[in-house]
Amino acid sequence: GALVYQYPRRTICKSGTSMRMECQAVGFQATSVAWYRQSPQKTFELIALSTVNSAIKYEQNFTQEKFPISHPNLSFSSMTVLNAYLEDRGLYLCGARQGQDTQYFGPGTRLLVL
Amino acid sequence: GDSVTQTEGPVTLSEGTSLTVNCSYETKQYPTLFWYVQYPGEGPQLLFKVPKANEKGSNRGFEATYNKEATSFHLQKASVQESDSAVYYCALGESGGSNYKLTFGKGTLLTVTP
Repeated sequence: GALVYQYPRRTICKSGTSMRMECQAVGFQATSVAWYRQSPQKTFELIALSTVNSAIKYEQNFTQEKFPISHPNLSFSSMTVLNAYLEDRGLYLCGARQGQDTQYFGPGTRLLVL
Repeated sequence: GDSVTQTEGPVTLSEGTSLTVNCSYETKQYPTLFWYVQYPGEGPQLLFKVPKANEKGSNRGFEATYNKEATSFHLQKASVQESDSAVYYCALGESGGSNYKLTFGKGTLLTVTP
């Protein structure tokens, strides 16, 4: 079946430092990968959508300069949170999809910022 | 833009009673509608999806009908179990296109007591 792995599952970083998280699709080809942030106050905020052979599209309030994303092949994507601060805390979810199929989510990377 | 509104939680039910979680949506598109379920410490899992109006989706005893006229997609289950305790999210997604994204409701926390 289709599975999505994310690592690390949980990470703590000091305010102002950066943190990289990874997403791996198993059992299908992730032609598109969406990165979301889920915080206690809000539901899912879409950060960006990455589609193979297309430019990465960032949502309003999220930028490449802050959340650079790499999607080098059909099974892997990574995102870095640069200069993390308290407001960046939350559960970062990767949703991977093959073509027009269902989007499958990983378990998330929980980011804590001290 | 697209939006999804669902029953505000938390909802607490006794095992064996019936569940209804209301979901209404707004969009100018012809969306696919989803129900996702999220357990503690995990990412959202697809419960089921319905791509076409006037059709019903179901899984694990849960069901919902895509009502285009009423723009609703209410989740129902006749008899809940303790293992159904989780957060339920209604979501809509564009039916096609490369810029596919999911718009989620704020989630409904369900607690089922024995």
